[in-house]
Formats: sequence, structure tokens, C-alpha cells
Amino acid sequence: KFMLTQPHSVSESPGKTVTISCTRSSGTIASSYVQWYQQRPGSAPTTVIYEDNQRPSGVPDRFSGSIDSSSNSASLTISGLKTEDEADYYCQSYDSSSHERVFGGGTKLTVL
Amino acid sequence: EVQLVESGGGLVQPGGSLRLSCGASGFTFNSYSMNWVRQAPGKGLEWVSYISSTSSPINYADSVKGRFTISRDNAKNSLYLQMNSLRDEDTAVYYCARERSTSSTHDYWGQGTLVTVSS
Repeated sequence: KFMLTQPHSVSESPGKTVTISCTRSSGTIASSYVQWYQQRPGSAPTTVIYEDNQRPSGVPDRFSGSIDSSSNSASLTISGLKTEDEADYYCQSYDSSSHERVFGGGTKLTVL
Repeated sequence: EVQLVESGGGLVQPGGSLRLSCGASGFTFNSYSMNWVRQAPGKGLEWVSYISSTSSPINYADSVKGRFTISRDNAKNSLYLQMNSLRDEDTAVYYCARERSTSSTHDYWGQGTLVTVSS
């Protein structure tokens, strides 16, 4: 089984760009798609990136996803930060050996 | 519009049982796999269980294996989670989530139902 490790928190100013990483502990990051979910306080999660770099309809193009095999990690990049982007972000992938869905520990994004 | 509505949460004593339900609408329920995901107070998301559109295969997290049972009734557009031998550490908001057919993406989530295990 593998784990997905995210930074506990990140902060950046409005209008700037922030990148949140998600590092896979074993196996290759490219072997299973990575998803990213946004969760605002008191609300259910919503999908902002699926299948590594796909954006659901309604998610602004300020959100983008990528994977980097050299660091065995995935990244969520948010450009032109807005105060409404302040939320917890979780990465998620699939463990084909155990058939488990795996979530990262989450990253709290503060926009100040 | 896709809607998922969980129900059945509440306060239960350690060792007790509870059955959660998730009603689905706005999509062809019998074409999609479903998941239960939970979130303990102030903590992150934890995947709990998966069920395919045909009820096989089914998978569980190690933390609930042998105690929880996932099931579905496609005729009633409903997903269930039977939780037995509940422990303090099972206290959480439980979400049902639809899974995309092309990956493990949880593309739609319910609003969650709170389960509190306490004496």
C-alpha cells in the first residue's frame, strides 16, 4: 500500500499563484490517476481536478493539475488566487494492488 | 441534477450498530460504482468502502473490514452502509460519493451524515 503526502498548509496573497504537492510513497505516480478535491469549511468536498489534469465543467481555468515522475508527485496549481479559494485541498488516487482509494492528508490553503 | 442524500446518522454507544443510507437521483444509478468516505472531526478524508454498479466487487478499508458492510439496491436508487461493533474512532461525518467509470474519481458527493459513537 502507498501513502499520499501533502504539506499541512500553504498561504499566499490574492492574485498570486500557489502550488500544492502530493507525493506518492511507493509505486509510480503515473500508474493511477490523481484527483484533487476542494473542501470549504462546513461543506462537502467537490472535485476541482480529475484524472491528473482534467477540469470539471464549472471549475475555472485558474485551477490546473500535473504529475511529475521524477519526484513521483502530483501538483495542483491555482493562479490568480481569490479569497474564495481558501479551503482544504485533498489529493486522491487508487491502489491497484489493494483496490483501495487513497486520500492525502489534506492541505489548508490560506489566501491573505 | 445529480443529488446524493445521506441519512441514518446519530448517536450510538460503543459496540452498537447503525445503518446509513444514501438516496441517489439525477443519474442512472445502476451504471455507477459508489463509495463511502468519512471525515472525523477536524481531520482529513478517509476512504471507507467501494461497491461496483453490480455489487461485485466490493472493497473495504482495513479499519472497517469485518465490521462494516456496504450494499446497494439499484431498484430503489439507494446505497447503504451497515456499521456494526462501532468504536469511538468511527465518529465522523460519512459521505457517499459517486465514482466515475473511467477512474476512481469521486465526482459527486452527498452533504454527509454525522455518526457519533459515545457512551
